[in-house]
Amino acid sequence: ELKVEQNPLFLSMQEGKNYTIYCNYSTTSDRLYWYRQDPGKSLESLFVLLSNGAVKQEGRLMASLDTKARLSTLHITAAVHDLSATYFCAPREDSNYQLIWGAGTKLIIKP
Amino acid sequence: EPEVTQTPSHQVTQMGQEVILRCVPISNHLYFYWYRQILGQKVEFLVSFYNNEISEKSEIFDDQFSVERPDGSNFTLKIRSTKLEDSAMYFCASGYEQYFGPGTRLTVT
Repeated sequence: ELKVEQNPLFLSMQEGKNYTIYCNYSTTSDRLYWYRQDPGKSLESLFVLLSNGAVKQEGRLMASLDTKARLSTLHITAAVHDLSATYFCAPREDSNYQLIWGAGTKLIIKP
Repeated sequence: EPEVTQTPSHQVTQMGQEVILRCVPISNHLYFYWYRQILGQKVEFLVSFYNNEISEKSEIFDDQFSVERPDGSNFTLKIRSTKLEDSAMYFCASGYEQYFGPGTRLTVT
């Protein structure tokens, strides 16, 4: 059974700083998703990482995937207040395509 | 850009009542999913649906739950006899890429 561990679970940081969220998962997975969720809202897809070494960037967010280490990272560069949200990683089970979700990282960026 | 829609946005029901949550997936998609998220917790997989039948379901998806695609467009989740602990956001996801709908907030009183 695929298990997912995200850390940190809570992160408070100042605007302008850099930080990384880590997502470890326990078994093989053919793809990994990162989602953003604002309070009371739905899940917004940020990145889909499809292969080992994949790196994708959108604005101040960059996601990477190391399938050998079973690790994905979401890096935030020069954080701004608008990035405050909860971020989830979700690798996909190879066998049945279901997403297995991390607990989420609640990110608060202070002006 | 096509999107997934869900209705209602908020449903309040009494314990023991039946509810039906509706999703309209993206039209040419073949895979559909239901997930739920209890307030403040992580997202949990309920069920996946492919080729008009359930392909996988989690332990949460017990006999009180059922899914249907009654008319080729809507994809529904029925909860037969709701319990207090069914209160959550329910998300439908469409397609191999799993595009999420806006969710239905279910409150059981």
